[in-house]
Amino acid sequence: DIVMTQSPDSLAVSLGERVTINCKSSQSLLSTSNNKNYLAWYQQKPGQPPKLLIFWASTRDSGVPDRLSGSGSGTDFTLTVSSLQAEDVAVYYCQQYHTSPWTFGQGTKVEIK
Amino acid sequence: EVQLVESGGGLVQPGGSLRLSCAASGFTFSTYWMHWVRQAPGKGLVWVSQINTAGSTTTYADSVKGRFTISRDNARNTLYLQMNSLRAEDTAVYYCARSTTTFDYWGQGTLVTVSS
Repeated sequence: DIVMTQSPDSLAVSLGERVTINCKSSQSLLSTSNNKNYLAWYQQKPGQPPKLLIFWASTRDSGVPDRLSGSGSGTDFTLTVSSLQAEDVAVYYCQQYHTSPWTFGQGTKVEIK
Repeated sequence: EVQLVESGGGLVQPGGSLRLSCAASGFTFSTYWMHWVRQAPGKGLVWVSQINTAGSTTTYADSVKGRFTISRDNARNTLYLQMNSLRAEDTAVYYCARSTTTFDYWGQGTLVTVSS
C-alpha cells in the first residue's frame, strides 16, 4: 500500500498569515501516461464530512477560494493557504488515488494562534 | 444538488451484523463508482470499499475483506454496506462517497459502535 505522511500534525497560525502543509507519498503518484499526479486534498471541519479542495495535485474544485492552492509532483506535495481566514480552521488530509487501496495522510490540524 | 444520505448505523455487539444504506439524489447514480470510507472517533480517514457502476466489480480494504459486502441498487439509487462479524475496531463514522477522479461528494456519515 502507498503510505501518505503529512507534516506537521498540527499548527497554529495568526489570521492573515500563510499556512503550508506537506504531504509525502511512499511511491510516485505521477502517471507517465497522462503526466498527472493522482493526489487530492480535503478539508474537514468538526462534525462535518470531508470536502474535496484540490485534485490532480493542483486543480481547485468548484467554489474553493483561490487562497488555497496545491503544488508538487512525484512524491512531495504541498497545500498552501496564502492568508489564513477563520473559516479555514479545520483538519486537512491528502489522499492518493494512483493505486488501490486509496490511502489518506494522517491529517494536519490548523488552528488560529 | 447532489445529496448522499447514510442510514443504518447504531450499537451492535461484537460478532454482530449491520447493514448500512446510502440514498443518492441529484445526480445519475448509475453512472458513478461509489465508495465507503470510515473514520474512527478522533482518528483519520480510511477507505473501506468501492463498487463500479454496474455493481459487478467490488474491492475491499484488507481489514474488512471477507466480512463486509458492498452492493448497489441502481433502480433505487442506493448504495449498501453489509457488515458481518463486527469487531470493536470497526467502530467509526461510515461515509459514502461518490467518485469521479476521486471522492468529490460525501454524505454526512452514520455512526457504527461495536461494543458489548
